[in-house]
Amino acid sequence: DVGMTQTPLSLSVTPGQPASISCRSTESLQHSDGKTYLSWYVQKAGQSPQLLIYEVFNRFSGVPDRFSGSGSGTDFTLKISRVEAEDVGIYYCVQSKQLYTFGQGTKLGIK
Amino acid sequence: QIQLQESGPGLVKPSETLSLTCTVSGDSIKGYFLSWVRLPPGKGLEWIAYISDDGSGNSKSSLRSRVTFSVDTAEKRFSLKLSSVTSADTGMYYCARAHLSSVAGDSFDVWGPGTMVVVSA
Repeated sequence: DVGMTQTPLSLSVTPGQPASISCRSTESLQHSDGKTYLSWYVQKAGQSPQLLIYEVFNRFSGVPDRFSGSGSGTDFTLKISRVEAEDVGIYYCVQSKQLYTFGQGTKLGIK
Repeated sequence: QIQLQESGPGLVKPSETLSLTCTVSGDSIKGYFLSWVRLPPGKGLEWIAYISDDGSGNSKSSLRSRVTFSVDTAEKRFSLKLSSVTSADTGMYYCARAHLSSVAGDSFDVWGPGTMVVVSA
């Protein structure tokens, strides 16, 4: 099974400041088809998870452009350029190269 | 508007089998890869299994011996059964869609609201 490790597990950010979450997989997520199967989701309080980023850097429909994804192979990053209060939630990276595996989640709070 | 709706028993006794259903509305299920994801209290999200529109699928290796799944194409319902449940199976259970023709590929672009399951005698 592919393992996923996120860091940090929690962070507190002042509104308007940037935030960054790292995700590492136990093996490369690049498939033989050339795509890299890493996505990011956020789960806000009382809501279902929602897709933010797919295939490393592609923002899903309706996701603000302050969210960006980067990385390759086994190391990936989600960045929020300017955190807003509505961004509070738990962020998960997910690999889908071999079935699916979620990272442990990173709790984002506001200072 | 595509909607997914989970349904389940709410309360299950230890050692019994948990049966969950995800009903799709507003869409055909052709091309669907419907996953089940759970959130245990105080823990993170965990992928359980996916079921395709032809009834095939796969599950997380640690759960495979306890998972069975099926699809009712006429009723647009995907079903999951988890046998021999324990308190560790308590949590919110979500169904989530990946679709062959979705721009998001095999990512989960539509989620249901979830159904809470408690395993307790």
